[in-house]
Amino acid sequence: DAGVTQSPTHLIKTRGQQVTLRCSPKSGHDTVSWYQQALGQGPQFIFQYYEEEERQRGNFPDRFSGHQFPNYSSELNVNALLLGDSALYLCASSPGRLAGGTSYNEQFFGPGTRLTVL
Amino acid sequence: EDQVTQSPEALRLQEGESSSLNCSYTVSGLRGLFWYRQDPGKGPEFLFTLYSAGEEKEKERLKATLTKKESFLHITAPKPEDSATYLCAVQATSGTYKYIFGTGTRLKVLA
Repeated sequence: DAGVTQSPTHLIKTRGQQVTLRCSPKSGHDTVSWYQQALGQGPQFIFQYYEEEERQRGNFPDRFSGHQFPNYSSELNVNALLLGDSALYLCASSPGRLAGGTSYNEQFFGPGTRLTVL
Repeated sequence: EDQVTQSPEALRLQEGESSSLNCSYTVSGLRGLFWYRQDPGKGPEFLFTLYSAGEEKEKERLKATLTKKESFLHITAPKPEDSATYLCAVQATSGTYKYIFGTGTRLKVLA
């Protein structure tokens, strides 16, 4: 059973460029969340997608946008990159309405995409 | 404001030396508290979910407990392979789906 997968593994961009990161959720999961993790910090919530809609957003500017596809996979887009956007970007999936009991919101993380902005 | 504080920031143990990591939280209402293990450059690996005060979960050398204000991750007779950063996160009941993470405890177990 494949877990959460993310691509690419590493990415180097320059200031002002745009980037797209991709995530495939764990089999049986329908909800995808994105997090940004700076070095030495805990992950910070960017947004969550459910039923192809952004369900909740954290304190990130509009330069950060996303999309969820009918197969539940998701993309994170960042425009006008800044040096401060350099971080590990994590995707997490959860069972959502496809699970029963109390485990519906347990989030399972992918390996992350390391973004470096020069 | 909902927040999570983990202590200590870093911990060095000798192999076999048991200890505990602390996660203190302030949240309007707790839906769940989650523990993760993270190796350098990797994504967090799910360990436990705790939902209510008094609940305990165990996995190998790890045991997680929960009170109304904090959670502890007890590590019994640790081995060098337990070296990692341990992250705690909470999810509030106030109509929110996001996890709020602490900054983690970096654990180093020496052989």
